[in-house]
Amino acid sequence: EPEVTQTPSHQVTQMGQEVILRCVPISNHLYFYWYRQILGQKVEFLVSFYNNEISEKSEIFDDQFSVERPDGSNFTLKIRSTKLEDSAMYFCASSATRGFDTQYFGPGTRLTVL
Amino acid sequence: KNEVEQSPQNLTAQEGEFITINCSYSVGISALHWLQQHPGGGIVSLFMLSSGKKKHGRLIATINIQEKHSSLHITASHPRDSAVYICAVHYNTDKLIFGTGTRLQVFP
Repeated sequence: EPEVTQTPSHQVTQMGQEVILRCVPISNHLYFYWYRQILGQKVEFLVSFYNNEISEKSEIFDDQFSVERPDGSNFTLKIRSTKLEDSAMYFCASSATRGFDTQYFGPGTRLTVL
Repeated sequence: KNEVEQSPQNLTAQEGEFITINCSYSVGISALHWLQQHPGGGIVSLFMLSSGKKKHGRLIATINIQEKHSSLHITASHPRDSAVYICAVHYNTDKLIFGTGTRLQVFP
């Protein structure tokens, strides 16, 4: 069964460093999402992406964040200058059609900012 | 503010028991998702519904649009059902608003 994959599974970085989290969505899916979950808290929407542009973003998704689909398979989340409060689990998801459709989640990347 | 409330926060059950987890939301929605988060953190989509009822194996999800309420039922619960169950809604946008989750533990 097709699945969403994410790399790395765990990333440790120093405050102020740039990180890139990678996702490979399911191949025929058109809509892509990033979510984050701070330890012990609920999952939060970051951004949705369709047709090579952001379709919606949350207030969390400020200028430090960017997303890109650099080729036909990868979908990346970049954090330009990490802060301690960026430490969280980041989930990528994809769906075949617009958000009112089943979203398939990747296993997550745990980001630890020291 | 558009919120999603779940109850109970924690639930323990004996194997074989019938489980109900509730979700309520504040205004009209486009769709509601039930998700399962495993102890390792992975998230699996169980159901997406905008009306009525859906069933998959021992899981049943219902939604009452007028009352702004949804329930997830697990029949004949099993220890492998132990996980966090999360309700999430679309308020007519791509953005999913998540509840805080219900932690279920099923003991043999």
